[in-house]
Amino acid sequence: QVTLRESGPALVKPTQTLTLTCTFSGFSLSTSGMCVTWIRQPPGKALEWLARIDWDDDKYYSTSLKTRLTISKDTSKNQVVLTMTNMDPVDTATYYCVRNRASLSGGMDVWGQGTTVTVSS
Amino acid sequence: DIQMTQSPSSLSASVGDSVTITCRASQSISTFLNWYQQKPGKAPNLLIYAASTSFQSGVPSRFSGSGSGTDFTLTISNLQPEDFATYYCQQSHSAPFTFGGGTKVEIK
Repeated sequence: QVTLRESGPALVKPTQTLTLTCTFSGFSLSTSGMCVTWIRQPPGKALEWLARIDWDDDKYYSTSLKTRLTISKDTSKNQVVLTMTNMDPVDTATYYCVRNRASLSGGMDVWGQGTTVTVSS
Repeated sequence: DIQMTQSPSSLSASVGDSVTITCRASQSISTFLNWYQQKPGKAPNLLIYAASTSFQSGVPSRFSGSGSGTDFTLTISNLQPEDFATYYCQQSHSAPFTFGGGTKVEIK
């Protein structure tokens, strides 16, 4: 059974750096075709794609956020970490980590439950 | 970046109706188009990938996707109470792998 779970602070202050960890099981990010993506959703708004890391360590970022985002993986721990610098209240959202597979044409087939992050002083 | 435009942003329909949601890409994405369903307070679920392939047997046959290039549709036939949700398209052709703005399907 494939599962992903996001963890990190529920509250961060403006200008701080957010670090989110995705811990997953049931697959290996060293397997060809496996990827993990971060997505966020502000309250009442649409999904926003943030970043993706692939089995071969290729990394992709949102154009508007790429100067603030870093994604990395620790294959031995089955974890993917996303850092976002200079947090602002507009970054308040639920953050999801998601698995995608090349065999699904890049479709994201297993989602974490999401973690809510509020940015406030 | 490839822009994904969904229409309508919301619609009202009755149980048993057939509804169609449209997704347009700002440039050709072949069939690298996925559809997700999201219910309130829940993470989205993959419904259809590669424009027209149902993700798994658990996706009812009343959901169907079509299209290629820049224009895509998600059709829900014989709308059921559990289908009232928000639907998103997403392109997986090239990074950043952008989403459409969503279509909320509400009960009339």
